[in-house]
Amino acid sequence: QVQLQESGPGLVKPSQTLSLTCSVSGNSFNSGGYYWSWIRQHPEKGLEWIGHIYYLGTTYYNPSLKSRVIISVDTAKNQFSLKLDSVTAADTAVYYCARVYSSALLYFDSWGQGALVIVSS
Amino acid sequence: DIQLTQSPSFLSASVGDKVTITCRASQGISDYLAWYQQKPGKAPNLLIYAASTLETGVPSRFSGSGSGTEFTLTIRSLQPEDFATYFCQQLNSYPLTFGGGTKVEIK
Repeated sequence: QVQLQESGPGLVKPSQTLSLTCSVSGNSFNSGGYYWSWIRQHPEKGLEWIGHIYYLGTTYYNPSLKSRVIISVDTAKNQFSLKLDSVTAADTAVYYCARVYSSALLYFDSWGQGALVIVSS
Repeated sequence: DIQLTQSPSFLSASVGDKVTITCRASQGISDYLAWYQQKPGKAPNLLIYAASTLETGVPSRFSGSGSGTEFTLTIRSLQPEDFATYFCQQLNSYPLTFGGGTKVEIK
């Protein structure tokens, strides 16, 4: 059974870069078939898909964030990461990493517990 | 982008009630829709995918239906552990998008 765990700073200053890592346990990370995704949820609000990556490095990003986002993968560590540049208070949210079931069925079948990131000086 | 509109945004119900939540898509998405349940402080949990397929381990009182632009999530007999917020998500095209959520509270 796969488990995902987010890690990274909980406080980021405005204009700086938000960096989070998702560690994946289980044997599905390098087995192919899955995408690995970042999703965020603003306080008391809905969910926003940020983007996802295949273990070989192919990425898909939400156009609304594409100019500021990089998602990368480290297959040796079974990890994938999120970098979001030039953050503002509007980027304050709980950030989730999640597994996408397949390229044909893009739903999220496993989630991390979430990491709250606050953007404030 | 495909917009998903959920209704109602909030509903109050009693244990044992039948509850129906609607998700409308701004354009046709065939059956490329998933439903999630989220409890306070927790990550969303997948309930249904492909509009009507129950994820393994999800109780059979949950069901989904619909195709095209209109979808429903039904909880046949509401249990205490079902009080939560429910989200729909379209998987038809990028960017992947979610509905605004329906909060189900105890009457």
